[in-house]
Amino acid sequence: KAGVTQTPRYLIKTRGQQVTLSCSPISGHRSVSWYQQTPGQGLQFLFEYFSETQRNKGNFPGRFSGRQFSNSRSEMNVSTLELGDSALYLCASSGTGGNGSPLHFGNGTRLTVT
Amino acid sequence: ELKVEQNPLFLSMQEGKNYTIYCNYSTTSDRLYWYRQDPGKSLESLFVLLSNGAVKQEGRLMASLDTKARLSTLHITAAVHDLSATYFCAVLYNFNKFYFGSGTKLNVKP
Repeated sequence: KAGVTQTPRYLIKTRGQQVTLSCSPISGHRSVSWYQQTPGQGLQFLFEYFSETQRNKGNFPGRFSGRQFSNSRSEMNVSTLELGDSALYLCASSGTGGNGSPLHFGNGTRLTVT
Repeated sequence: ELKVEQNPLFLSMQEGKNYTIYCNYSTTSDRLYWYRQDPGKSLESLFVLLSNGAVKQEGRLMASLDTKARLSTLHITAAVHDLSATYFCAVLYNFNKFYFGSGTKLNVKP
């Protein structure tokens, strides 16, 4: 069974630009979550989608947005990039979500903002 | 907001020794998870603890959960170099919103 796939693996962007990250969950998984990982703040929850609906949102500015498609694939968009947005962005999927199933993480997208 | 605290943050130990990583959380939850992350890699699920008193073991690692004390422990028995990694605990609070601890970077020296 294929795991969670994130593309691209690496991105270098300039301040003020926008970026879109993509995530394909494990087949059959309907919940997709996004996390930001930085050395200073650790792992922080961005948002979670289930059946194309955002069920939960973390404490990030509105520049961070996401969506989920009918095939459960998800995208995350960050607009007007800031230096502080440099991080590893991790996508995770689980079956139905909230029932005790662990998250299955992708390898992440390393975003560098210059 | 839920707070998850891990300690220690760094742990350097000799092979063959035992040690325990602690994970405290601030709000009632009976769903606690442990993950492992190797350098440059993603997170791998180790244990899922879903009730008070739950204990799970895999090889040299054993995890337990005390929901009344809001405490989980990850015990390492007779550490080996291959266990060197960063270990995270995470608490499930709402739907699929997980709160992660800061991580414990474990270095097992030969």
